[in-house]
Amino acid sequence: AQSVTQLDSHVSVSEGTPVLLRCNYSSSYSPSLFWYVQHPNKGLQLLLKYTSAATLVKGINGFEAEFKKSETSFHLTKPSAHMSDAAEYFCVVSERARGTGFQKLVFGTGTRLLVSP
Amino acid sequence: KAGVTQTPRYLIKTRGQQVTLSCSPISGHRSVSWYQQTPGQGLQFLFEYFSETQRNKGNFPGRFSGRQFSNSRSEMNVSTLELGDSALYLCASTLGLAGGSGETQYFGPGTRLLVL
Repeated sequence: AQSVTQLDSHVSVSEGTPVLLRCNYSSSYSPSLFWYVQHPNKGLQLLLKYTSAATLVKGINGFEAEFKKSETSFHLTKPSAHMSDAAEYFCVVSERARGTGFQKLVFGTGTRLLVSP
Repeated sequence: KAGVTQTPRYLIKTRGQQVTLSCSPISGHRSVSWYQQTPGQGLQFLFEYFSETQRNKGNFPGRFSGRQFSNSRSEMNVSTLELGDSALYLCASTLGLAGGSGETQYFGPGTRLLVL
């Protein structure tokens, strides 16, 4: 079964410094991978997705992620953090259900990004 | 286009009661998925409906059920509520089947359920 591991439960950065949120996945076939962001008391918003096209994926708000098959990683980065980036971030992999073959999303446990002035 | 809407946004119930939550997907989307989010368990998949049929199901007891109508609106029902059912319930809509290659799930704001 596919799974996702987000290596840090919390990441603290200062405004204007780079952001790195780490994600490793386990998949028996070529996966689709996503990063979602959740602001307090809000639903989830898609930041970016990888679907076997370019390995470097650019998303909204200056975020990007690189798919590295050899390392089974899909880390999220941003060159310069902004206060509004403070939120919870989820790495997600699509999983094919046994039997039916239908796919569903498997979420990581989330990384809370704290941005200080 | 309007986004995914969920009603009600907040709900307080007592143990043993039942509850029905509603989700209206983005116009034209045919798939609705439901998730439960709690601090302890994170985001867990409940089920997915596509064209009025349940296509996928997570590991939840039978007290959790759902349905989808011909206009793609979906409802989920939880019977005999337990304290542990307190959570944020999120629904997401997709044009096709969720999780498919390239498919993006669009999430609603959620319904926060508190069971006392």
